[in-house]
Amino acid sequence: QVQLQESGPGLVKASETLSLICNVSGGSINSNYWSWIRQPPGKGLEWIGFVYYSGFTNQNPSLKSRVTISVDTSKNQFSLNLSSVTAADTAVYYCARVVWGPWGYLDLWGRGTLVTVSS
Amino acid sequence: DIQMTQSPSTLAASVGDRVTITCRASENISKWLAWYQQKPGRAPNLLIYKASTLQSGVPSRFSGSGSGTEFTLTISSLQPEDFATYYCHQYNSYNTFGQGTKLEIQ
Repeated sequence: QVQLQESGPGLVKASETLSLICNVSGGSINSNYWSWIRQPPGKGLEWIGFVYYSGFTNQNPSLKSRVTISVDTSKNQFSLNLSSVTAADTAVYYCARVVWGPWGYLDLWGRGTLVTVSS
Repeated sequence: DIQMTQSPSTLAASVGDRVTITCRASENISKWLAWYQQKPGRAPNLLIYKASTLQSGVPSRFSGSGSGTEFTLTISSLQPEDFATYYCHQYNSYNTFGQGTKLEIQ
């Protein structure tokens, strides 16, 4: 079955760019929208943005100026770049599959990866 | 932005209890609402979508209702594995989540 796996550095310095990849296995990336969501320690969920296999994206307006989401269909993966990070960007970052996209529910999630921003 | 407000923030209950969690949207979202369960250290798990449709594999003791701006998630008879945090999620316009409801053992 389809599985998602996030990967990337667990520690990023303040003011630098956070970069993560979500690998899609067991299925094609060419049939859904795919989202990034984050969760600061002990807090709730925040949607970051989505990407379609065509490269079409949309982002949370509160993060839009710092977020870049892209897709690499040849590798069956999509990625997140978040620039100019601060301590407030410390969170577990999840990738997820969107159903009935682009605005749809999230039926499959990766296990998440904790990214800590250090000063 | 559409704001989602869940209540209560924390709920203490016992095995076998019937519990209800409420989610209110700041504007009409029709039935574009999902519910997730999250256990510590784990990713959220989809329970219900389109306000009342049970995701495949989710026990039938979970049910959802509502439309427009007010929604509920009901667990008919709590099981030990149900103690977790629950989130609502509107996907009518962009995506926003409720702040979560932590269901604790009484």
